[in-house]
Amino acid sequence: KAGVTQTPRYLIKTRGQQVTLSCSPISGHRSVSWYQQTPGQGLQFLFEYFSETQRNKGNFPGRFSGRQFSNSRSEMNVSTLELGDSALYLCASSLWLGAYEQYFGPGTRLTVT
Amino acid sequence: KNEVEQSPQNLTAQEGEFITINCSYSVGISALHWLQQHPGGGIVSLFMLSSGKKKHGRLIATINIQEKHSSLHITASHPRDSAVYICAVLVAQKLVFGQGTRLTINP
Repeated sequence: KAGVTQTPRYLIKTRGQQVTLSCSPISGHRSVSWYQQTPGQGLQFLFEYFSETQRNKGNFPGRFSGRQFSNSRSEMNVSTLELGDSALYLCASSLWLGAYEQYFGPGTRLTVT
Repeated sequence: KNEVEQSPQNLTAQEGEFITINCSYSVGISALHWLQQHPGGGIVSLFMLSSGKKKHGRLIATINIQEKHSSLHITASHPRDSAVYICAVLVAQKLVFGQGTRLTINP
């Protein structure tokens, strides 16, 4: 069974731009969670989607948003990029809601200049 | 104070040594995860536990719910075990992460 895939793997954007990252979960998994990892803050939960609905949300500003499609693929969007948004963005999929057993993708490394 | 504290932050050991990484948390949790992150970023889930002890190969994870503490042990450590080990607790269906322990095993 194929693992979680994320595209693109690397991305360079300029302050003020917006970016969309994509995550394809393991086949049959219905929940997708997104995380941000920075050297200063470590790993932080962004949000979780299940059955095309956002079910949980972390403490991030409204510039961070996401969605999930009927095939469980998910996208996250960051608008009006700031330098501090430079990070590794990871998604993880699980069969069900609630992060009980998660499988992580390789991540997208975003650099904002 | 962070909700999840790991110790030590960095650990260097010789091949073959017994390794212990500790995780303490201050909130009520549904479960606790141990994750492994190799250079390059990929994260692998090692264990998820809510009570007792689990073993997988040379890795053992324990949790004491009353004391709000978990340990990850590695027996007969090997250079390929070199990675960052992250403890994460499940609180209200959200994962809250520790800062990680960077483990280096020298041959």
